[in-house]
Amino acid sequence: QAGLTQPPSVSAGLGQTATLSCSGNTNDVGKGGAAWLQQRQGHPPKLLAYRNNNRPSGISEKFTASRSGNTASLIISGLQPEDEGDYYCTAWDSALRLYVFGSGTKVTAL
Amino acid sequence: QVRLVQSGPEVKRPGASVKVSCWASGYSFTAYYIHWVRLAPGQGLQYMGWIHPYNGDTNYPQTFQGRVTMTRDTSANSVFMELTGLTSDDTAVYFCARDVAVGFDSWGQGTLVAVSS
Repeated sequence: QAGLTQPPSVSAGLGQTATLSCSGNTNDVGKGGAAWLQQRQGHPPKLLAYRNNNRPSGISEKFTASRSGNTASLIISGLQPEDEGDYYCTAWDSALRLYVFGSGTKVTAL
Repeated sequence: QVRLVQSGPEVKRPGASVKVSCWASGYSFTAYYIHWVRLAPGQGLQYMGWIHPYNGDTNYPQTFQGRVTMTRDTSANSVFMELTGLTSDDTAVYFCARDVAVGFDSWGQGTLVAVSS
C-alpha cells in the first residue's frame, strides 16, 4: 500500500516558523484528515494533532494543523531546539481499513 | 491514567519468531483498537496493523500478511503481536498504541527486538 508523502527534511531558524506537508488521496487524508506525531529519539511517538486541527490536552498551541483537499499541513511556530525531531503524518484509509503513514520529516532548528 | 506497558527486549536468531505483549490499564480495555508500529534503525515508523480487543478482529497491511498475528487476552487486559520468520530487517523497536478513533493517543514504551545470528 502506498503511504503518505512527506518531505524528508525541513529547517527554520530559532523562533521562526516551520511548515510541514503531507499528501494523500481521497481515501485517507481527503476523507478523514490526518493526525500528526512527533517522534524524538529514545521516546515513543507523541500525538500532536488529529482530525486536522484538534490538539490533545497538554499539547502546545504552537502546533497548528490544517488540511486542504488531500494535503495536510503542520505549522510549528516559534521553533525551539526541543522541537527538533521526526514528524509523521498518519491517516485512516477507509478502503483498506488500515492506517497509512508518511515517511516522516526531520525538523531542524538552525 | 491510561498506560500501555510492553514486555522486555528480545534477541532472536534469523528464522525465529517473537511475541511481544502490551498490557493496558486505566481505561476500558475492550473499547479501543490497539495498533502496532515499529521503528527500525535509520528508518521511519512502519505500521503493522490493528486488533480490536472486544472481538479479536484484526487487519494487517499486505507487507506483514502471513507473518504477523495479533491476539488478545481480555482477562489479562493484554494484546500480543507475534512476528514469524525473523530476519535482520526486523530488528526494530516495536510499539503498541491505543486508537481513540482520531489518532494514537497513548503509546507503550517500546520493545527492542534484535535479530542476529
